[in-house]
Amino acid sequence: GPKVLQIPSHQIIDMGQMVTLNCDPVSNHLYFYWYKQILGQQMEFLVNFYNGKVMEKSKLFKDQFSVERPDGSYFTLKIQPTALEDSAVYFCASSHPGAGNTLYFGEGSRLIVV
Amino acid sequence: GDSVTQTEGLVTLTEGLPVMLNCTYQSTYSPFLFWYVQHLNEAPKLLLKSFTDNKRPEHQGFHATLHKSSSSFHLQKSSAQLSDSALYYCAWNSNNRIFFGDGTQLVVKP
Repeated sequence: GPKVLQIPSHQIIDMGQMVTLNCDPVSNHLYFYWYKQILGQQMEFLVNFYNGKVMEKSKLFKDQFSVERPDGSYFTLKIQPTALEDSAVYFCASSHPGAGNTLYFGEGSRLIVV
Repeated sequence: GDSVTQTEGLVTLTEGLPVMLNCTYQSTYSPFLFWYVQHLNEAPKLLLKSFTDNKRPEHQGFHATLHKSSSSFHLQKSSAQLSDSALYYCAWNSNNRIFFGDGTQLVVKP
């Protein structure tokens, strides 16, 4: 089936550093998403992105977060600076537009901030 | 606002017994609802989604029926398998966002 690829799968960084999480969405999808999942907790919506713009973001999407997809390359989530509470698995997803659209998720990027 | 509620955080049952995981929704309209399954250390994957024409979606032995009268979309399976052990999310679509419920951890024992 359709595949969403995420790079890196794991990253450990020092608090205060910048991190960029990369996502290669399904090729003909138009909507892109980031979700955050802290170990043992639920999936939480961060942001969705369409036509080069953020459509909607949740309260978890702090000012230190940013997303972009320059020239149809990777869809990225950048955190600058990182904080300890940013430690989580970040899932990228993509979909076609439409009310019944199905999200296809990547395998996640596990971020550990120390 | 719109939301889904999964009342059970953990469901434990014996292999071969029927499964029912609850999901109710609160919405001012009839939303699209989904069930996603997440196995340990894996990404969530779509299991089922609701139809607007009252069809009952089925996949891998699981089925769910959207009942507008009770605002429910419970997930059911007639006979649980060990491999069904996973985290199950009820989710709904709003303006091209998918929001997840709190999830129900299903543990199937031999």
